[in-house]
Amino acid sequence: QVQLQESGPGLVKPSEILSLTCSVSGYSISSGYYWGWIRQPPGKGLEWIGNIYHSGDTQYNPSLRSRVTVSVDTSKNQLSLKLSSVSAADTAVYYCGRFRSDGYFDYWGQGTLVTVSS
Amino acid sequence: QSVLTQPPSVSAAPGQKVTISCSGSSSNIGDNYVSWYQQFPGTAPKLLIYDNNRRPSGIPDRFSGSKSGTSATLGITGLQTGDEADYYCTTWDDSLSTVVFGGGTKLTVL
Repeated sequence: QVQLQESGPGLVKPSEILSLTCSVSGYSISSGYYWGWIRQPPGKGLEWIGNIYHSGDTQYNPSLRSRVTVSVDTSKNQLSLKLSSVSAADTAVYYCGRFRSDGYFDYWGQGTLVTVSS
Repeated sequence: QSVLTQPPSVSAAPGQKVTISCSGSSSNIGDNYVSWYQQFPGTAPKLLIYDNNRRPSGIPDRFSGSKSGTSATLGITGLQTGDEADYYCTTWDDSLSTVVFGGGTKLTVL
């Protein structure tokens, strides 16, 4: 059974870098599929951030592209998210998930709330 | 403003049927598969429907999906109070090169 678990600081200061890690168990990232990040501001809808293939090929939301880096560490079976120059608008629950080529996430982490505040 | 348009809320009585619409365009729904997620407060979204009308293992056949042109519909029959949740449609948008989501629909079972 595929399981994902996000981890990282719950509080980030404005203008700093938000960094999260997603640990995957039950499936080897290097075996295939895209893996990605989605976020959800409190009380609002879902927003796709970006995906990465095990080879390193990435896809990013154009609205966040200039500030986002998604990477993968196959040796640790983890993917990571870095979002730079954060502001209060980046406060959200951040989810990682396994992305299927038909355009959906079939497995999701439980999510982690990141608050941007001084 | 979401790329995909969903009604903010729908409601129906227990045992009844409800449909949730998702409207898009030729660059997203019109040219790609649609999926649906169910989300309860404080939890991660759960895949409900993929490839327009396929259900993952464990999803009851009370849930169904369909697509026609640039619109998709989620149907739920035999409504239960436990179905009260937010529902999101999603697909890929060829023009934007992004995964796009609907704004979500809150289902109330009266």
